[in-house]
Amino acid sequence: NAGVTQTPKFQVLKTGQSMTLQCAQDMNHEYMSWYRQDPGMGLRLIHYSVGAGITDQGEVPNGYNVSRSTTEDFPLRLLSAAPSQTSVYFCASSQGGKTNEKLFFGSGTQLSVL
Amino acid sequence: GNSVTQMEGPVTLSEEAFLTINCTYTATGYPSLFWYVQYPGEGLQLLLKATKADDKGSNKGFEATYRKETTSFHLEKGSVQVSDSAVYFCALSRSGAGSYQLTFGKGTKLSVIP
Repeated sequence: NAGVTQTPKFQVLKTGQSMTLQCAQDMNHEYMSWYRQDPGMGLRLIHYSVGAGITDQGEVPNGYNVSRSTTEDFPLRLLSAAPSQTSVYFCASSQGGKTNEKLFFGSGTQLSVL
Repeated sequence: GNSVTQMEGPVTLSEEAFLTINCTYTATGYPSLFWYVQYPGEGLQLLLKATKADDKGSNKGFEATYRKETTSFHLEKGSVQVSDSAVYFCALSRSGAGSYQLTFGKGTKLSVIP
């Protein structure tokens, strides 16, 4: 009963490095999304996907790329890490549709960019 | 655009005290409203929701009523426990967009002391 799995749990990067945060769900959910959580800011939507092959930008997409080649996976790529990207990142999924099904969150990735 | 405003924290209560966390929103159309809870070291999980005006969401002793006339969705619990210590997020979903596009408040940290 895995739900939403994020890896790694912790990561330290140097400015300019690139990396991919992994997210996988085993609930056959159509919708997946990435949020970042910063102190005093709540959660802000980075990118989301409504199905395999379909992605769109959220509130704070700059510096991040996503792709959705399968229903299960939704990786988040940092192209050239900056200290402003130090944050806790959460992946979430939902069944979607018009009935506003609930979001299922992963346990987060804590990223520090030095 | 859509926005959610919740009371500033942190909130510290003694066990068995009454809890209210205020939440007001700005949105077009008829959003669904949610309360999510984040326990230490974990991702967010849905606590309760309401999808139309005058609906009351409830779960684990927590309640919130969707008040369209005051654009509010205040969270209440009659008697808090130490295990309720967490960060609480009010959120709304854009009308017709499904739950994957939630707008979150900044969160209110609750600490319950024995």
